[in-house]
Amino acid sequence: DSGVTQTPKHLITATGQRVTLRCSPRSGDLSVYWYQQSLDQGLQFLIQYYNGEERAKGNILERFSAQQFPDLHSELNLSSLELGDSALYFCASSVSTRTGAHYGYTFGSGTRLTVV
Amino acid sequence: GQQLNQSPQSMFIQEGEDVSMNCTSSSIFNTWLWYKQDPGEGPVLLIALYKAGELTSNGRLTAQFGITRKDSFLNISASIPSDVGIYFCAGQMRGSTLGRLYFGRGTQLTVWP
Repeated sequence: DSGVTQTPKHLITATGQRVTLRCSPRSGDLSVYWYQQSLDQGLQFLIQYYNGEERAKGNILERFSAQQFPDLHSELNLSSLELGDSALYFCASSVSTRTGAHYGYTFGSGTRLTVV
Repeated sequence: GQQLNQSPQSMFIQEGEDVSMNCTSSSIFNTWLWYKQDPGEGPVLLIALYKAGELTSNGRLTAQFGITRKDSFLNISASIPSDVGIYFCAGQMRGSTLGRLYFGRGTQLTVWP
């Protein structure tokens, strides 16, 4: 158990639908990151939150949105789903970004989204 | 955006062989990290490097932070079947205070018994 909890583990839904993926970061971590990993693809950065505020955006589609709540858990909302959105979605957390050294991300075990 | 060039893309080796993979960037990094991802799981941190020239080991794994601060490599000695997985390099750019890491595209390692 990495300490980062993602739910649900698997999700199957139809095209056009909307889903919400949930992430609870490791205790004490203020930053949450979302990544998409398609088959045979690397980790595509979607978005970063730090202590409730959006800090960086990657290749996130307009149909996707995210937020981080006061208790630091985060949700990734995917709407108007297409077949190509089928992928593994990972959440990761890290300690405060204010320090110089980076101790790495701790990843959750992912949510496998299948759009049919 | 910043791209990390990781090579090779895949490796097929026999148990007992040594493995080497590397990662290069066009920008200077102040932190290099190596992750391993098992099938269906999230990446797990293997080694973290913080200084140019630093050489760090974790069991059969050894990683180095390049002198130019634009590259890093990972070696696995005497590979075993459980080394199978995808290995990712990741780095934090110099001057970044946002905490974002940039990832390579990964090296898929297959080990034949």
